[in-house]
Amino acid sequence: QLVLTQSPSASASLGASVKLTCTLSAGHSSYTIAWHQRQPEKGPRYLMTLNSDGSHSKGDGIPDRFSGSSSGAERFLTISSLQSEDEADYYCQTWGTGIQVFGPGTEVTVL
Amino acid sequence: QLQLQESGPGLVKPSETLSLTCTVSGGSISSSTYSWGWIRQPPGKGLEWIGSIIYSGSSYYNPSLKSRVTISADTSTNQFSLRLSSVTAADTAVYYCARHGSRDAYNNPRNFDYWGQGTLVTVSS
Repeated sequence: QLVLTQSPSASASLGASVKLTCTLSAGHSSYTIAWHQRQPEKGPRYLMTLNSDGSHSKGDGIPDRFSGSSSGAERFLTISSLQSEDEADYYCQTWGTGIQVFGPGTEVTVL
Repeated sequence: QLQLQESGPGLVKPSETLSLTCTVSGGSISSSTYSWGWIRQPPGKGLEWIGSIIYSGSSYYNPSLKSRVTISADTSTNQFSLRLSSVTAADTAVYYCARHGSRDAYNNPRNFDYWGQGTLVTVSS
C-alpha cells in the first residue's frame, strides 16, 4: 500500500534552516513526490517535484531558499533563511496507477 | 497564468448531494497534457484526494469515496465539477480543485501543480 509518513511538527528560529522529511512506504522507495505549502487562510501552493535521485524541479516563483533532496525512501524539504511567511503546513504527495496520496502534513513554526 | 476558482453552495443538508464547480482560466481543460482533480481538507485535518478526471474524460476516485463521487468536465465552459452524494457532517471541509502537472511514463497523472483557493462546505441541517 502506498503511504506517506511525515512528522506532525517542526520549528526553527527566524533566519535559521529547517529540514522536513517525507517517508515512502516499503516497496515504493523509487517514487517521485511533490511538496506543497499551505499557509493559513490560503489555498495550497505547489513547491517542487522531487525524484529519488534528489533531482527536483520547482514551481513558478518558488525562492531558492526552498530545496529538496532524497535518501532511500526519504524525501526532504529544506527551507533556509526561514522567514515568518514560511510558517505553514507542508504536505508531500505521490501517485500511482489510479491513486493520489498525500502525507499527513508537517506544521512548521517560526520561532 | 493558470487560475482555478471553486464555486458552489457553502451549506448542504445531510443526505443531500454536494455540487461544486471549478472554473479554469489561463488554460484549457481539454488539453491532452493535463488532468484535473478535487481535494478536500476537513477542519483540523490533512489533505484528502477525492478524485480526478483525465483529458480523455474518464475519471478515477479515492476508493473510500468512490461510491458517492462523480467528477465531470464541460469543455465548452472550461469547467469541471464534483458531485458527492449522501453527505454527512464528516464531509464538512474546504474543497479545492487543482491541475495535475502532466503524466508520468506510465501515463498516470502526476502531482498537482496549480491549486484553487478553496471553498468551505458545511454539512448541517
